[in-house]
Amino acid sequence: TQLLEQSPQFLSIQEGENLTVYCNSSSVFSSLQWYRQEPGEGPVLLVTVVTGGEVKKLKRLTFQFGDARKDSSLHITAAQPGDTGLYLCAGARYAGNNRKLIWGLGTSLAVNP
Amino acid sequence: DTEVTQTPKHLVMGMTNKKSLKCEQHMGHRAMYWYKQKAKKPPELMFVYSYEKLSINESVPSRFSPECPNSSLLNLHLHALQPEDSALYLCASSQGSALDYQPQHFGDGTRLSIL
Repeated sequence: TQLLEQSPQFLSIQEGENLTVYCNSSSVFSSLQWYRQEPGEGPVLLVTVVTGGEVKKLKRLTFQFGDARKDSSLHITAAQPGDTGLYLCAGARYAGNNRKLIWGLGTSLAVNP
Repeated sequence: DTEVTQTPKHLVMGMTNKKSLKCEQHMGHRAMYWYKQKAKKPPELMFVYSYEKLSINESVPSRFSPECPNSSLLNLHLHALQPEDSALYLCASSQGSALDYQPQHFGDGTRLSIL
């Protein structure tokens, strides 16, 4: 059972287009992190959202955490070839006495010039 | 440049070889992680060290043996690996206790191929 559903799995768009990536779950997360991974490199943290309803902007990227802290979205405006990569969401939730980081399956984005 | 350094970047080994992957960070982070990642898939957690003690082993086969010599170093010793173990092995670190799951800083990984 995948606890964190990420969609779409693959996305190929032209430079200048807008796009949205979604992470959805039936579980509540204490925080949610977004990472981008380029070929041959490790994931790089983009943002952490903590509060329900929170919106964070990072240049052309807008991140939103759902009011119930069960889902999140990443919107990219006017995509550029440099945005190409694997986008991963990861939610932190309690499992018994421990906290676990649950990873989405990733969205592979290709932005064509 | 990443602040978590992994060596080697590439490793090819036979199924009977013994090798080690190394990871180093100097950010003062006290939680360190080993992940395995297949192409276009998310990282899969293998081990977590918190304050130099192994706190999580995600049922990893014994042919993988982690070691944390000090707060800056993390090793992964490999022995008698199988072809399906071929993957990108990522090291990460974060502040505080691993249980806090603070944002993680990843190295660029070791690309491992088992012949």
